[in-house]
Amino acid sequence: GQQLNQSPQSMFIQEGEDVSMNCTSSSIFNTWLWYKQDPGEGPVLLIALYKAGELTSNGRLTAQFGITRKDSFLNISASIPSDVGIYFCAGLRGNEKLTFGTGTRLTIIP
Amino acid sequence: KAGVTQTPRYLIKTRGQQVTLSCSPISGHRSVSWYQQTPGQGLQFLFEYFSETQRNKGNFPGRFSGRQFSNSRSEMNVSTLELGDSALYLCASSPFLGQPQHFGDGTRLSIL
Repeated sequence: GQQLNQSPQSMFIQEGEDVSMNCTSSSIFNTWLWYKQDPGEGPVLLIALYKAGELTSNGRLTAQFGITRKDSFLNISASIPSDVGIYFCAGLRGNEKLTFGTGTRLTIIP
Repeated sequence: KAGVTQTPRYLIKTRGQQVTLSCSPISGHRSVSWYQQTPGQGLQFLFEYFSETQRNKGNFPGRFSGRQFSNSRSEMNVSTLELGDSALYLCASSPFLGQPQHFGDGTRLSIL
């Protein structure tokens, strides 16, 4: 099935650095979502975006719904150890199934 | 508010057996989706149920089936298990179709 193009695939950063990741699609979505998954657990919804151009924050996380409705971005500022995990973007269109990105694995180097 | 509950958390089966996994959605949520997650394939969509009817279906063989009950609880069944069915099976719920989904912690199925 279709998966969204998410990049980068993995990131190795130092604590305190800022992080940026993005997700692109060949077709438009009405809603963009960002999830984080810790080992052994299910994905947790971080941010939901409902309108083209929308910029939404959740603490140190900021996400944007691209103007073209075909992309979305997630930024994490001043990373901390608990930010480690896999981040997934996902898109919703009407009553269709949720379409997921391939994931970005974030690792913090001591 | 209780989250999505999946049982069992871990399961070990052998090839050829069948298995049933259970999911209780967040109270008030009527849509339930199932996903298979493997290290190499990411999150693969299995099916979505709403009001006891399958509304969306992924590209999995007929050995994978599901159902939803009148209280919105859902089960998925896999028959004639194969080694490749070893994965984390995730359930997610949302109030209605087309809305953000909330996930359970999954059932880890291992096939020997």
